[in-house]
Amino acid sequence: DTEVTQTPKHLVMGMTNKKSLKCEQHMGHRAMYWYKQKAKKPPELMFVYSYEKLSINESVPSRFSPECPNSSLLNLHLHALQPEDSALYLCASSPGQGPTYEQYFGPGTRLTVT
Amino acid sequence: DAKTTQPPSMDCAEGRAANLPCNHSTISGNEYVYWYRQIHSQGPQYIIHGLKNNETNEMASLIITEDRKSSTLILPHATLRDTAVYYCIVRPRGTYKYIFGTGTRLKVLA
Repeated sequence: DTEVTQTPKHLVMGMTNKKSLKCEQHMGHRAMYWYKQKAKKPPELMFVYSYEKLSINESVPSRFSPECPNSSLLNLHLHALQPEDSALYLCASSPGQGPTYEQYFGPGTRLTVT
Repeated sequence: DAKTTQPPSMDCAEGRAANLPCNHSTISGNEYVYWYRQIHSQGPQYIIHGLKNNETNEMASLIITEDRKSSTLILPHATLRDTAVYYCIVRPRGTYKYIFGTGTRLKVLA
């Protein structure tokens, strides 16, 4: 299994809602990532988890809250988002931090904040 | 961190080689060059990476200049399915962080 899965595929939420994005991989990878991608722009790194611990937070607003309950699962909890947070949210994983390790990306969750 | 520069768009005839350039003139000795592509509405897909030697795999070849200031991704026989945005990425060794370029939108024409 060389797949990263993300649910849901699409999400529409109001600015007062609380929702969560889910990402799962069963490749035994020890690093997992959240990226945000606006239309016609490259992905931007948000968070990195290494061995289930938060390793990098790229100064992301606190209305985005990541969680890594176990080595296969990564969540992104969303609360009080703004319309400008509408984007494609991508999850990725890699075996580790070494230079030869590529990242495997999921298909993304397209989020619309109304 | 090094930055990458890519042309915004390119066309290529089906069956011909597609050569996608990337400039990374500020790259340092411990930074790798990675290439990914993103087909519309999908997640990025890994293609190839290298440090200073040329690399080839079943998808593509990566040619890195001797001074490492630029590289070229070569798709030897482009097909319509290769139509995508291609990202050149610099990755500092030992870090998780990818520094994405702005990408080249490659259109393969029938």
